Amino acid sequence: SQTIHQWPATLVQPVGSPLSLECTVEGTSNPNLYWYRQAAGRGLQLLFYSVGIGQISSEVPQNLSASRPQDRQFILSSKKLLLSDSGFYLCAWGDGTNEKLFFGSGTQLSVL
Amino acid sequence: GQNIDQPTEMTATEGAIVQINCTYQTSGFNGLFWYQQHAGEAPTFLSYNVLDGLEEKGRFSSFLSRSKGYSYLLLKELQMKDSASYLCAVRAPGQAGTALIFGKGTTLSVSS
Repeated sequence: SQTIHQWPATLVQPVGSPLSLECTVEGTSNPNLYWYRQAAGRGLQLLFYSVGIGQISSEVPQNLSASRPQDRQFILSSKKLLLSDSGFYLCAWGDGTNEKLFFGSGTQLSVL
Repeated sequence: GQNIDQPTEMTATEGAIVQINCTYQTSGFNGLFWYQQHAGEAPTFLSYNVLDGLEEKGRFSSFLSRSKGYSYLLLKELQMKDSASYLCAVRAPGQAGTALIFGKGTTLSVSS
């Protein structure tokens, strides 16, 4: 069966510090991978998606970047965090033909 | 543009029935999803509709009318554990892969 791992679960970072969140998927090949952010009082916002290794598309201009160095690995990064980067970050995968997205357990990021 | 509307909050009592509505305006339509999200956790899949009509799954049912841009999630025999946020999401053509556009969610509080 497929599983998705995301870490860390919580993170407190000072403004201006770098960020790296990692997500890995097991039990499937060539998944579509996604990063969403959920800020307080707002819905899930799509940040990045990837349909293959090295293929990244950004949905929203922002202070973040994403990379997919391996088929089942998706990384969210920032060189300098802003206060507005605080939120609940969720990684998800979809098989491209099925209708469902499956989410990782999320990372609660607080930028202080 | 894409717009998905659902009520912010709803309250109900144990054993009751509650209906959570969702309306959407999107440039196209490839399916509507309902997810459940408990506080601090990842969303979990509840239901999927792509054709008009009612889909029933245990205590949960979901209805879709594509001509009206309308869906609802029906929860029967409410239990305390049903207290959660319920997210309506739409896949529209042109979106990346299987990426979903989410509403802001409806927070349901079930009391005894």
